[in-house]
Amino acid sequence: SAVISQKPSRDICQRGTSLTIQCQVDSQVTMMFWYRQQPGQSLTLIATANQGSEATYESGFVIDKFPISRPNLTFSTLTVSNMSPEDSSIYLCSVAAHLTGTGGSTDTQYFGPGTRLTVL
Amino acid sequence: EDQVTQSPEALRLQEGESSSLNCSYTVSGLRGLFWYRQDPGKGPEFLFTLYSAGEEKEKERLKATLTKKESFLHITAPKPEDSATYLCAVQNDYKLSFGAGTTVTVRA
Repeated sequence: SAVISQKPSRDICQRGTSLTIQCQVDSQVTMMFWYRQQPGQSLTLIATANQGSEATYESGFVIDKFPISRPNLTFSTLTVSNMSPEDSSIYLCSVAAHLTGTGGSTDTQYFGPGTRLTVL
Repeated sequence: EDQVTQSPEALRLQEGESSSLNCSYTVSGLRGLFWYRQDPGKGPEFLFTLYSAGEEKEKERLKATLTKKESFLHITAPKPEDSATYLCAVQNDYKLSFGAGTTVTVRA
């Protein structure tokens, strides 16, 4: 299984500023994803980040607000730009993985621990 | 648009009281249905992937089943450590669409 770390684990930021969240994986992965989990809600996919190409954003999310970098196969960053209180959320990165065991094979996504962002 | 609906929103169980969580879905092309467990302040932890109707998977006190329109997560004789939010997600192509989750509380 992939071990994923995120920095920072939490932050409190002022309105109008930007925060960059880092995601580090302990193995090389092709597909990385960034999700948002707003208070009391489930996960919403922001974008897919593949190494060597531009990130693909989901409806409702734009590159100017959430620029993403993917410089290599183990690292990605998500920036939350020009923040407002509505951006207060948990931001999670995940990676696609394929597991093989005695019961057969299966696809999954592993998630990092998340970054809890509060915007004042 | 893919849709995932989980019920109930919350479930309070006595230790040893078995129950089931429901995940209803509509998806244009199901590649897999995923179950995750999420503890407060942590990222989701992978439990199962199901691919086709009739498939079942088990892990300790948890058993997941899949039909063409819904999935069930059965919790048998739960313990307090099974308290968590259980998330269901469907995969279309490479994307996961999540339900809102069922928060399970197991009292000793």
